[in-house]
Amino acid sequence: EVQLVQSGAEVKEPGESLKISCKASGYSFTGYWIGWVRQMSGKGLEWMGIIYPADSDTRYSPSFQGQVTISADKSINTAYLQWSSLKASDTAMYYCARRIAGGGADYWGQGTLISVSS
Amino acid sequence: QSALTQPPSASGSPGQSVTISCTGTSSDVGGYNYVSWYQQHPGKAPKLMIYEVTKRPSGVPDRFSASKSGNTASLTVSGLQAEDEADYYCSSYAGSSNFGIFGGGTKLTVL
Repeated sequence: EVQLVQSGAEVKEPGESLKISCKASGYSFTGYWIGWVRQMSGKGLEWMGIIYPADSDTRYSPSFQGQVTISADKSINTAYLQWSSLKASDTAMYYCARRIAGGGADYWGQGTLISVSS
Repeated sequence: QSALTQPPSASGSPGQSVTISCTGTSSDVGGYNYVSWYQQHPGKAPKLMIYEVTKRPSGVPDRFSASKSGNTASLTVSGLQAEDEADYYCSSYAGSSNFGIFGGGTKLTVL
């Protein structure tokens, strides 16, 4: 069974750093792109970036380029999303998802809620 | 790239059918057969319901069907059930330099 299990909710202050994770199981981790999706409260879905764990080829949406870093450790089947300096505007739910042909996503993590407030 | 256009809301009574539209351009919806639909219940992760315009993943009821005409894709839910009440998002491929774009979402209410 394919599963993507994300790390738990975080409460942070502006300026702090953060790295959240997405552990994959039930399939060949290196055979699919993994993406990260942001969903702000009451809003829609936005692709942030994607990574191909086999060679760590990473691509970012222009809106998120330079704002976050996506990485993966294929030895432990885990993808990461990190911030070096959080802002209040980063408050949102973040999902990882396994990408399929044509940019869709067939399996999703349960989401990680990030709250940034002073 | 702008988000795909979906109606903010749709509704129907149990047993009825409802169709949700998703309008893009020739650079996304109209240019590729890569439209996906997702169902999202409150507090839950999105769930893939349709991919490649018309295909249903294993486990998705055949009450869910979809199509595309020109730059507009559509999702039809037949025989509405209470559990179908959720937000629905469309998504389309938009070229190799783009990750794909989502629609703004449609809140489906089962009356």
